Amino acid sequence: DGGITQSPKYLFRKEGQNVTLSCEQNLNHDAMYWYRQDPGQGLRLIYYSQIVNDFQKGDIAEGYSVSREKKESFPLTVTSAQKNPTAFYLCASIRRGGAFNTEAFFGQGTRLTVV
Amino acid sequence: DAKTTQPPSMDCAEGRAANLPCNHSTISGNEYVYWYRQIHSQGPQYIIHGLKNNETNEMASLIITEDRKSSTLILPHATLRDTAVYYCIVRDLHGSSNTGKLIFGQGTTLQVKP
Repeated sequence: DGGITQSPKYLFRKEGQNVTLSCEQNLNHDAMYWYRQDPGQGLRLIYYSQIVNDFQKGDIAEGYSVSREKKESFPLTVTSAQKNPTAFYLCASIRRGGAFNTEAFFGQGTRLTVV
Repeated sequence: DAKTTQPPSMDCAEGRAANLPCNHSTISGNEYVYWYRQIHSQGPQYIIHGLKNNETNEMASLIITEDRKSSTLILPHATLRDTAVYYCIVRDLHGSSNTGKLIFGQGTTLQVKP
């Protein structure tokens, strides 16, 4: 079955360490997105990529980095420059092309805790 | 960016219809209205979308006003499992691509009560 997979589900890191969150999709979707969600809050866009080897900053990109070397993969690195990295991170993908009415598919999220 | 406004919370009795409103007064002609819901600690799940006509699927109905400045998601017979945060989103087109940013608001927390 096609889908979008985030791993790991729970991640613990020491303060000051970089950490990379994985997002893989086998839906042949062109566009991929990373969101951050804090307790009781909505989703805020970190980075998005509409095509391989290209990505744009979202609303809260500071302290994060991404790469898009393959269509299937869009890893997010939370760097030591991110002041409050503890959060729930969600990845999504959308098919590109055709009409403007395609839906987004989300992974199940990674809960990052920095201690 | 087209943005949406939703009430922060709503209650609904089990078995009754849940009507969730959304304002999107700056929506432009080619932008669709999408609804997603998120059950605690899971990824959001797609519910329904529409452009200007009312839409219905196995999960819900979507009513869009004629001026397209607001919409209502209807869960016809709410169950306890429908308790979730419901997000109304307008697709934000970016450049020449037709896969724009997805901008989420705060959503509406729907509490279905027995």
